[in-house]
Amino acid sequence: GQSLEQPSEVTAVEGAIVQINCTYQTSGFYGLSWYQQHDGGAPTFLSYNALDGLEETGRFSSFLSRSDSYGYLLLQELQMKDSASYFCAVPASGGSYIPTFGRGTSLIVHP
Amino acid sequence: DVKVTQSSRYLVKRTGEKVFLECVQDMDHENMFWYRQDPGLGLRLIYFSYDVKMKEKGDIPEGYSVSREKKERFSLILESASTNQTSMYLCASSVDRGSPLHFGNGTRLTVT
Repeated sequence: GQSLEQPSEVTAVEGAIVQINCTYQTSGFYGLSWYQQHDGGAPTFLSYNALDGLEETGRFSSFLSRSDSYGYLLLQELQMKDSASYFCAVPASGGSYIPTFGRGTSLIVHP
Repeated sequence: DVKVTQSSRYLVKRTGEKVFLECVQDMDHENMFWYRQDPGLGLRLIYFSYDVKMKEKGDIPEGYSVSREKKERFSLILESASTNQTSMYLCASSVDRGSPLHFGNGTRLTVT
């Protein structure tokens, strides 16, 4: 099966940079995804890493190290609207590719 | 933009009632999913479907069933609601296996 570990909460101030880590255990690896969920809202897809390295999309970047079974989401120039929960997810092994989600990290951005 | 619509935002039901949660997607996606979300537990997969009339159990299927008679619609059924099924229920769809999931806004179900 799969398991993912991520911090339950991270706090930061506006304008800062924050990193949300995710370590995973999976019998087969098909990539690491990140989703954002605002309070009361639907999770929305942010990024996907299948290969090692950094993927940048605007203020958000995602990093993967397959040898370390580790990834992170990097948020730069934090804004108040970035306050949300962030979930890492890995597809299931065995060919189904159904995402298994971590328990989520609550990011609180202070003025 | 993909739209995944869940029929109810909030539902209150009594213990023992049969409950239907409906989900419709408008992008002709093959795959549809039902998750429940509880504080501190993240998203847990209940059931998923790869095609019409197909269904597969997820991680926590006990107490639930599903129906997919049409490609765009995936229903979650609680045969006899219990208080431990009080939760946020999220429906999602994806164009194919491995593609990002598109979620609906969720149904917050309270069973009293």
